[in-house]
Parts: sequence; structure tokens; C-alpha cells
Amino acid sequence: EIVLTQSPGTLSLSPGERATLSCRASQVVSSTWLAWYRQKPGQPPRLLIYGASSRAAGIPDRFSGSGSGTDFTLTISRLEPEDFAVYFCQQCDISPFTFGPGTIVDIK
Amino acid sequence: EVQLVESGGGLVQPGGSLRLSCAASGFTFSRYDMNWVRQAPGKGLEWISHSSSSNPIYYADSVKGRFTISRDDARNSLYLQMNSLRDEDTAVYYCARGRRDGFEYWGQGTLVTVSS
Repeated sequence: EIVLTQSPGTLSLSPGERATLSCRASQVVSSTWLAWYRQKPGQPPRLLIYGASSRAAGIPDRFSGSGSGTDFTLTISRLEPEDFAVYFCQQCDISPFTFGPGTIVDIK
Repeated sequence: EVQLVESGGGLVQPGGSLRLSCAASGFTFSRYDMNWVRQAPGKGLEWISHSSSSNPIYYADSVKGRFTISRDDARNSLYLQMNSLRDEDTAVYYCARGRRDGFEYWGQGTLVTVSS
């Protein structure tokens, strides 16, 4: 099983600041199969990034993804109020299609 | 507009069974990979099963042998038969479309509570 580790566990920032979230895999993941999601309380997750770096439909360009191999990064260039939420990475390369434990981005 | 609507959740005793359904609309259901993902109260996301027309069915180890995913392409529906339910299966269960391009569409979820 590919284990995904996300860091930090919690990121406390102010609106307008830059957020950098990390996702590390226990073995190599093809970039094709790495995705990022944002989840707000009481809502299902929303796909932000797929293929490690491609923005999903309707996702603003303040969100960007990068990385390869075992290290992947989600960057939010300027935090908007709706970005204070939980972020999950996921790999669909090899079953089981695991999620990371999540990073909470909260208001400082 | 793509829509996924889960149903079938509820309260069930440990050892019991439940069948979840996911009604899909707004796209050609048969062409897409589908998944079940669950989220225990206050916890993270756990992928549990995947179904597609071109690949084997996959399950998480935590549900293998107890849960069965199926689909009826004629009815645009995805199902999850859950047997031998345990307390730790208590969660919101989501159906979600996709794999290669991420899980692009999600339902609102249905709550399953396993308790005596």
C-alpha cells in the first residue's frame, strides 16, 4: 500500500498569504495519478489538481501543483477566505487508492 | 449537469447489512470509472472501492470480503453491498466519478451508523 504523508498537519496563515502544502509518498507515484482536493466543513471534497499539476475545471489559477516521484506540492499563491479548509492529496496509481491524512489551513 | 445522489444509509446493528445506491445523471455513466469513498466523523477520507468497465474491481483491505461494489449501466447506478458491518464502518459514504483525472464529481454522501 502506498502511504501518503502530508505536512504540515496544520498551517496557520492570514488571507492574502501564500500556502505551501506537501505530500510525500512511501514509494514512487506516477504524476499522472496524483490529485489534490479541498474540503470545507459539511461538504464533499472538491477536486483542485489532477495529474500532479493540472487544474480541474473552474479552479482559479492561484492554485498550482508540482512535484514528481515521491514528493508533491500544492501551492496557493494568495489565500482567499474560502481557502481556509482541509486539503487532501490522493494517489490512484496503485490500488488501494490512498488519501493523505490532510492538512488544515486555518486563519491565523 | 453531472449529479451523483447517494441513498440507502441509516442505522444498522453490528453484524448487519446495508445496500447503498448512487444514482448518476448528466453523463454517459457506462464510460466512467466510479468509486466509493467514506469519511468517519471528524476523520479523513478513506477510499474503499473502484469499478470500471475496463479494469478489475478494487477494494481497500478494510472492506475486502465484506463489501461488494456493483453497477447497473442501464440504470445509471452504482451500488455498495455492505455485510458484516462493524462499529468502525460508521461514516459518510460518498460516490465519486473518476480515476485518471482525479475524482472530479462527488455526491453529497449518505450517513451509515453502525451501533447497537
